Amino acid sequence: EVQLLESGGGLVQPGGSLRLSCAASGFTFSPYCMAWVRQAPGKGLEWVSTIRGSSGTTSYADFVQGRFTISRDNSKSTLFLQMNSLRAEDTAIYYCAKCRSAYGFEFDSWGQGTLFTVSS
Amino acid sequence: DIQMTQSPSTLSASVGDRVTITCRASQSISYWLAWYQQKPGKAPKLLIYKASSLESGVPSRFSGSGSGTEFTLTISSLQPDDFATYYCQQYDSLWTFGQGTKVEIK
Repeated sequence: EVQLLESGGGLVQPGGSLRLSCAASGFTFSPYCMAWVRQAPGKGLEWVSTIRGSSGTTSYADFVQGRFTISRDNSKSTLFLQMNSLRAEDTAIYYCAKCRSAYGFEFDSWGQGTLFTVSS
Repeated sequence: DIQMTQSPSTLSASVGDRVTITCRASQSISYWLAWYQQKPGKAPKLLIYKASSLESGVPSRFSGSGSGTEFTLTISSLQPDDFATYYCQQYDSLWTFGQGTKVEIK
């Protein structure tokens, strides 16, 4: 059974940094594309970033504007999201998701999410 | 960027009703569309992929159709467990979600 376990949430001041982690198990991690999706309180789902499995190619939503970096450690089956220059509007639950394939496509498994709040 | 627009935003229905949710893309996405169900406090769950393919384990009362720019999710006979929020997602060019449709009890 695929399991994705996010961690790293909490309270961060505006302008601060945070790194989220997602520990994967139950499948062979390295070939698969992985993604981060966020959901602000009471709002809808918003795609944040994706890293492909084989090539490690990364993609980001426009609002990231160079502030976030997605990465992966295939030896530890772990996905990361380094977030800098955080703003109040980045407050959200951040979900880790597994893509159907190495290249991308739909997200067939999701973690339970980790919440962080950007506030002074 | 491809924009996804769902309608309606909220839908009131009763158990046993046939329910249809529409999703429109701002440009053609072929059939690269997925539907997700999300319940309060839970992660989204994949229901439909490639516009009309049913994810393993998902009840057959859920179905998807469409191609190009217009897509629908249909629940043939609404069950108590189906009251939730539904999102479409395109993955033709990067990824974009619709704003969601909340299905509530009438």
